[in-house]
Amino acid sequence: GDSVTQTEGLVTLTKGLPVMLNCTYQTTYSPFLFWYVQHLNEAPKLLLKSSTDNKRTEHQGFYATLHKSSSSFHLQKSSVQLSDSALYFCALSGNNYAQGLTFGLGTRVSVFP
Amino acid sequence: EAAVTQSPRNKVAVTGGKVTLSCNQTNNHNNMYWYRQDTGHGLRLIHYSYGAGSTEKGDIPDGYKASRPSQENFSLILELATPSQTSVYFCASGEYEQYFGPGTRLTVL
Repeated sequence: GDSVTQTEGLVTLTKGLPVMLNCTYQTTYSPFLFWYVQHLNEAPKLLLKSSTDNKRTEHQGFYATLHKSSSSFHLQKSSVQLSDSALYFCALSGNNYAQGLTFGLGTRVSVFP
Repeated sequence: EAAVTQSPRNKVAVTGGKVTLSCNQTNNHNNMYWYRQDTGHGLRLIHYSYGAGSTEKGDIPDGYKASRPSQENFSLILELATPSQTSVYFCASGEYEQYFGPGTRLTVL
């Protein structure tokens, strides 16, 4: 079945530094990848999405590129802010989008002044 | 933005009791979903629906039932609640991207 791997459980860094969160996936179907962000005690919200190979997608200063050759969709930001402290999930829609998403375990990002 | 609401927001139940979690969406999405979120497990799909009258099993359906009486409403039912079902439950709707409700924190004592 489909799977998503996020290798970092916790990332701590100082405001203004760059960040990259890793996401790799496995599916036998054409993938649609998503990044969701969840702030404390809130619902997950869509941050980025892509199904196009080798095309960078950007939103709110975050960006990611889907690379089908390496089955990856890493999330990056060049300069993190305190408000970026949150839980970040990578998610995959494989065969049939209507059957729900497969989520990674999530990466918690803590940004310090 | 898509609007998904859930009720109740917090619930304390006793072991063996029946619990119903409700979800409403006003975006006319065909597809609706129930997930649970637990530390160390991320978000896991319990049930989903393609439209009114449809319910399908997700990855972890055991101990849960679902009901989709209308396009707008999707309920999750725990007939005999157990402490292992203590969790935060999220409802979502959408076609490709999913929009999540605010969540229900359920504690089963």
